[in-house]
Amino acid sequence: AQKITQTQPGMFVQEKEAVTLDCTYDTSDPSYGLFWYKQPSSGEMIFLIYQGSYDQQNATEGRYSLNFQKARKSANLVISASQLGDSAMYFCAMREGERQAGTALIFGKGTTLSVSS
Amino acid sequence: DTEVTQTPKHLVMGMTNKKSLKCEQHMGHRAMYWYKQKAKKPPELMFVYSYEKLSINESVPSRFSPECPNSSLLNLHLHALQPEDSALYLCASSQDQGGSLAKNIQYFGAGTRLSVL
Repeated sequence: AQKITQTQPGMFVQEKEAVTLDCTYDTSDPSYGLFWYKQPSSGEMIFLIYQGSYDQQNATEGRYSLNFQKARKSANLVISASQLGDSAMYFCAMREGERQAGTALIFGKGTTLSVSS
Repeated sequence: DTEVTQTPKHLVMGMTNKKSLKCEQHMGHRAMYWYKQKAKKPPELMFVYSYEKLSINESVPSRFSPECPNSSLLNLHLHALQPEDSALYLCASSQDQGGSLAKNIQYFGAGTRLSVL
């Protein structure tokens, strides 16, 4: 079973509009972290935002916010006031547990966001 | 500074060549990772080094040989590759020095685009 599910292969939005990228996850570990990365066509994977499983408040970083609904196991990324430079692939990822160093990220399949003027 | 530097940015090699990819970080991170990414797919974990020791090898063929000479440097030695090995190779690092490991964000380099002819 997939541990990270991104159901939107592609999303289209106009400049200055807000957009929500969906992510659901599956884990039995009580301690986990959820991450969003942006990957432009240049290839670099850029960290955007992090949410911990024990965090009481939703994470925010500038125009990015994470809508964390623990009971629903969802961690949607909200981008406010979209810009042309936001056009990229967006990956949701999860890291489980606290015990082992060097634990790898589990990635979703990604959502391609296209912002038009 | 959250910079991970990968060289070269592009590499074209024949199936009989031997080449190496290099990754460097000066953030004091103790875990380093190699990922392979095909176009429009999420990154796939290849290797994890934790405190300069190989901790995870995701059943990668022996034509890929990782090396961690010190805590700042990670190499990936390539030999007798196949055309299907053409991909974007991403290096990442994370702090992994105590506390909640889920919070240790992985920072990625810009990647090396490898073409095997």
